[in-house]
Amino acid sequence: EAGVTQSPTHLIKTRGQQATLRCSPISGHTSVYWYQQALGLGLQFLLWYDEGEERNRGNFPPRFSGRQFPNYSSELNVNALELEDSALYLCASSFYLTGGLTGELFFGEGSRLTVL
Amino acid sequence: ELKVEQNPLFLSMQEGKNYTIYCNYSTTSDRLYWYRQDPGKSLESLFVLLSNGAVKQEGRLMASLDTKARLSTLHITAAVHDLSATYFCAVDFGGNNRLAFGKGNQVVVIP
Repeated sequence: EAGVTQSPTHLIKTRGQQATLRCSPISGHTSVYWYQQALGLGLQFLLWYDEGEERNRGNFPPRFSGRQFPNYSSELNVNALELEDSALYLCASSFYLTGGLTGELFFGEGSRLTVL
Repeated sequence: ELKVEQNPLFLSMQEGKNYTIYCNYSTTSDRLYWYRQDPGKSLESLFVLLSNGAVKQEGRLMASLDTKARLSTLHITAAVHDLSATYFCAVDFGGNNRLAFGKGNQVVVIP
């Protein structure tokens, strides 16, 4: 069974540009999460989508946005890139249970974004 | 405020010896994860601990959870070089996988 897949593996952009990262969850998982691992800041929760809706958002500016498609795959968009956006972006997926509860989380291999 | 503290942040281990690393968290948790990360790589799931007193073992690693003390431990038995990595503890405070991560325990096993 395929795990969480992310693309691209690496992406290099310059300040002010936009970056788009993609994620396909494990088959059957409806919840997709995005986490950022930036040097010196550790791992931080970015976004949670389920059934096409944004369920929760971390403490990030609005230029970080995303969406979830009907097939449950997801995109993370980062607009007006800044140098400090350079990080490993990890996507994860899980089942959605009920009442806001979700199943065990599984991470993809990550997309490394470098902003020059 | 949700806090997850891991210690020690850096640990040099001798091969063959036993060690324990610690994860403290600030408030009631629904679920606690331990992950391993190799340099430049993603997170590899090691354990998911759900309830007080939970203990899980895989090879030389054993994790336990004390929800009353808000403490999880990761015990390494007879350390080997292949266990060199950074180990992260992550706490799910709401049952929805919005995880709060610790800073990680960087482990280096020396022959």
